Amino acid sequence: GAGVSQSPSNKVTEKGKDVELRCDPISGHTALYWYRQSLGQGLEFLIYFQGNSAPDKSGLPSDRFSAERTGGSVSTLTIQRTQQEDSAVYLCASRREVSNQPQHFGDGTRLSIL
Amino acid sequence: QQQVKQSPQSLIVQKGGIPIINCAYENTAFDYFPWYQQFPGKGPALLIAIRPDVSEKKEGRFTISFNKSAKQFSLHIMDSQPGDSATYFCAASKSNYQLIWGAGTKLIIKP
Repeated sequence: GAGVSQSPSNKVTEKGKDVELRCDPISGHTALYWYRQSLGQGLEFLIYFQGNSAPDKSGLPSDRFSAERTGGSVSTLTIQRTQQEDSAVYLCASRREVSNQPQHFGDGTRLSIL
Repeated sequence: QQQVKQSPQSLIVQKGGIPIINCAYENTAFDYFPWYQQFPGKGPALLIAIRPDVSEKKEGRFTISFNKSAKQFSLHIMDSQPGDSATYFCAASKSNYQLIWGAGTKLIIKP
């Protein structure tokens, strides 16, 4: 597609449930990032996939959070046993792995935990 | 060492004024400094970026000024318009491997 696509755009779920958020990057972009953005706040880095290398998971806040990237394209961020503090917008970005190429963002998934 | 400090947190400017948003960094290895613009309900979008070998870069009404010795860079918006109202983020990285983000500035341009 023309841009980074994220689904669903909104997700409301009960505390304790598991959720899966999907990111479809721009074709040909081998680098993929997940961020979390709480209301009115900046971007919190979660995880970075770079080509075939092991992902940089240093930003994942707890072991309830995990992410996969299948076939070097689509990525799924999974949050297990959701807590109310997980409520935020989850943003995905992709870029070409050439020096100084910008990150292109999707419009995010707004996650609300009741 | 890894922080990027952005100020102000919020800014209100009259139409036609020149809002200025400032960022400061510590890591001298950073070599890529982008600014992103984010509208409500949307993801951030690259506005303009600069490398430390130049002191200023202009794209339309947007200008980045870069002071390598002070480790500071700033965004100026000339002839600001209500449509420029958005949240602006500065960032820094080494070769764009992983961006270190500022906390954001919510800009409101009053008609």
